[in-house]
Amino acid sequence: NAGVTQTPKFRVLKTGQSMTLLCAQDMNHEYMYWYRQDPGMGLRLIHYSVGEGTTAKGEVPDGYNVSRLKKQNFLLGLESAAPSQTSVYFCASSKAFQASHTFGSGTRLTVV
Amino acid sequence: GDSVTQMEGPVTLSEEAFLTINCTYTATGYPSLFWYVQYPGEGLQLLLKATKADDKGSNKGFEATYRKETTSFHLEKGSVQVSDSAVYFCALWNNAGNMLTFGGGTRLMVKP
Repeated sequence: NAGVTQTPKFRVLKTGQSMTLLCAQDMNHEYMYWYRQDPGMGLRLIHYSVGEGTTAKGEVPDGYNVSRLKKQNFLLGLESAAPSQTSVYFCASSKAFQASHTFGSGTRLTVV
Repeated sequence: GDSVTQMEGPVTLSEEAFLTINCTYTATGYPSLFWYVQYPGEGLQLLLKATKADDKGSNKGFEATYRKETTSFHLEKGSVQVSDSAVYFCALWNNAGNMLTFGGGTRLMVKP
């Protein structure tokens, strides 16, 4: 049982480039989330989804877009990367909206 | 808005020492409270949770009690091991906000 799988694990982008981070879960969870983790700030919610075909903004959504075309996948896109988006990105899923999250192992993104 | 405050680390202890990591919160209503642990190079894992006042969450020798009167959820362990070295995050879920709010994390280092 893989749980939550994120790809890629590491990436370096130049300012202005675009990329997509992929999250896949095999637990049939309805809810999925994207967080960013910055030193001393804990995790902050970027976007989330309450089901296939739905997305919603979290605490820090600017500069990111998401899509949930299939229940098991949640994609995070950066259209024009900026150095302020250098961070570690975590995907998570949960069975119910306020249930405990299952996290992926993270993607370390550096924008130069 | 909701917020979670944790003691700053790193916390350095010798093996078998007693551990306390302080966590206080600000939230409206009656949030659920969580402790997550992040081992090096991995995503966050749920350690324990409590959903109402005076509840005690426990797991792997760790305990935390939901104290509404002091708005606290301090993490304790009677005898730490080297394998407990990790970053610990306190978090709350508030139905009004529909999101997990994390503290900044506390790094624990246990020396043999």
